[in-house]
Amino acid sequence: SAVISQKPSRDICQRGTSLTIQCQVDSQVTMMFWYRQQPGQSLTLIATANQGSEATYESGFVIDKFPISRPNLTFSTLTVSNMSPEDSSIYLCSVDSSGTYNEQFFGPGTRLTVL
Amino acid sequence: AQSVTQPDIHITVSEGASLELRCNYSYGATPYLFWYVQSPGQGLQLLLKYFSGDTLVQGIKGFEAEFKRSQSSFNLRKPSVHWSDAAEYFCAVGSDSNYQLIWGAGTKLIIKP
Repeated sequence: SAVISQKPSRDICQRGTSLTIQCQVDSQVTMMFWYRQQPGQSLTLIATANQGSEATYESGFVIDKFPISRPNLTFSTLTVSNMSPEDSSIYLCSVDSSGTYNEQFFGPGTRLTVL
Repeated sequence: AQSVTQPDIHITVSEGASLELRCNYSYGATPYLFWYVQSPGQGLQLLLKYFSGDTLVQGIKGFEAEFKRSQSSFNLRKPSVHWSDAAEYFCAVGSDSNYQLIWGAGTKLIIKP
């Protein structure tokens, strides 16, 4: 299984600012996913990031608000732009390391609080 | 529409008692089924998975789950829970036709001493 790290682990930000979350994997992976988990809720997929192509966003999420970079096969960033208190969530990075069967491995998450 | 239902928002069991967490799915394709656990303040850890073959699968931490196609269910079980099992448990479904996972709402497990 892949080992995934995320930075920062948590942050408190002011509304109107932006935060970039980093996701690092210890092996090369094709697919990386970014999820949002609002307090007390399940996971909602924000986008899928493949190296060398634009991220694919799910309904309700747009690139201007959540720009994603995927410069290589082991790294990705998610930026939460122009934040509001409604963006307060845990943001999770995951990878599909096997390429089949949809098995995903998760990073520890970034807990974001927007004041 | 594809969906995953975890009917219990939270469950409370005594330490040492048995546990069963329910998961039902609605999925047109042959499902791949997963259970993940999220401890407080942590990311998600894969407990077990079912792709094919034996319908009773063993996972980590003493958990098992049984795939019942006729009931569209994949319930998670443990014969004797420990206080460290207190966490949120998520059921998820995928298939070979879609790389995404469909997630249940989660069940919060509370352990009574």
